[in-house]
Amino acid sequence: GDSVTQMEGPVTLSEEAFLTINCTYTATGYPSLFWYVQYPGEGLQLLLKATKADDKGSNKGFEATYRKETTSFHLEKGSVQVSDSAVYFCALSGSTNAGKSTFGDGTTLTVKP
Amino acid sequence: DTGVSQDPRHKITKRGQNVTFRCDPISEHNRLYWYRQTLGQGPEFLTYFQNEAQLEKSRLLSDRFSAERPKGSFSTLEIQRTEQGDSAMYLCASSLEGTVNTEAFFGQGTRLTVV
Repeated sequence: GDSVTQMEGPVTLSEEAFLTINCTYTATGYPSLFWYVQYPGEGLQLLLKATKADDKGSNKGFEATYRKETTSFHLEKGSVQVSDSAVYFCALSGSTNAGKSTFGDGTTLTVKP
Repeated sequence: DTGVSQDPRHKITKRGQNVTFRCDPISEHNRLYWYRQTLGQGPEFLTYFQNEAQLEKSRLLSDRFSAERPKGSFSTLEIQRTEQGDSAMYLCASSLEGTVNTEAFFGQGTRLTVV
């Protein structure tokens, strides 16, 4: 079955540092790929997505590129802020059922001033 | 639209009791999903509806769990004879399938604690 593997956390960075959170997946067909963010006490929010190979999703300074050859969708940000502290989830879904997703276990990011 | 709303936000119950959670999706969304999230893990898919029809149930959804979406709008998730292992965050999401850039929107979840 489908699966998503995220780099283990937690990750602690200083403000303005470069962020990479690795995500690899196993799926049949051509899934859509997502990054969600969960702030303390809140629900999941879609951060960015990509629906086909070589697509780049971007939002709020975060980027991720759908790499079919390496089955990866790594999240990057050039300069993190304290407000980026949250849990980040990589996920995939079938192209025709965006809400039925397989999630990774999440990576907790803490950014220190 | 205020997004997906879930009620209650927190529920503490004694083992063996029944509990029911409610989810109100975004009004025009035709699909509704339930997930369970335990501490330190990602959400796990439980079941989903298209309008009022329940189209898929995960094997995680034991016989003690039942979900309904009677009029294709709000949904309820009931857990009978709760066990301590049912303690988790229960998330609801909705989407409008059939559009080009469809995406799922999540509610804030109901945190269940079984004591």
